Amino acid sequence: GQNIDQPTEMTATEGAIVQINCTYQTSGFNGLFWYQQHAGEAPTFLSYNVLDGLEEKGRFSSFLSRSKGYSYLLLKELQMKDSASYLCAVNKLSFGAGTTVTVRA
Amino acid sequence: GAVVSQHPSRVICKSGTSVKIECRSLDFQATTMFWYRQFPKQSLMLMATSNEGSKATYEQGVEKDKFLINHASLTLSTLTVTSAHPEDSSFYICSALLGGNRMNTEAFFGQGTRLTVV
Repeated sequence: GQNIDQPTEMTATEGAIVQINCTYQTSGFNGLFWYQQHAGEAPTFLSYNVLDGLEEKGRFSSFLSRSKGYSYLLLKELQMKDSASYLCAVNKLSFGAGTTVTVRA
Repeated sequence: GAVVSQHPSRVICKSGTSVKIECRSLDFQATTMFWYRQFPKQSLMLMATSNEGSKATYEQGVEKDKFLINHASLTLSTLTVTSAHPEDSSFYICSALLGGNRMNTEAFFGQGTRLTVV
């Protein structure tokens, strides 16, 4: 089975940086995904990591350490539109409970 | 990116009736699609994996006779909620893998279906 943990909520101010951590336990590993989901909408793909290290995509970066079963999503230069739930998912798209990020002016 | 269309976006039905939800990959072929259910403020819960031309694989605790899945073509999977009850009210989302069942492929989600059973 797979066990995925991430914080429930985080709050940050506009222009700041926020790091969302995700830890996982899995019997096999084929990659880790991060998704963004706005309330009442379907998730949208943000990033995919299968090798250790940092993947950068504009304001969003994702890091993976397979030996530690750990990943983080880094959001830089936060904007109000970044207020959403961020879901960590591994392998067969098993999702964590999501982290609700609230960006305040 | 690739487009997955899910229909209907919202449906209200009476208790005891059946509801069919369609998931279509519009510009690519998807041999594998996934169906999820999401309750308010909770994560997506994988219900089943839909494979074109074969029976769906259901996750533990999901009743296959209640949630019928048909993946009749490479671009269409359907989920039918049979004899719906108020506790089935939820947000149902499908996703399709671009490039087959390889785990390093991106998954694209439909818009979701808000089902309310009254």
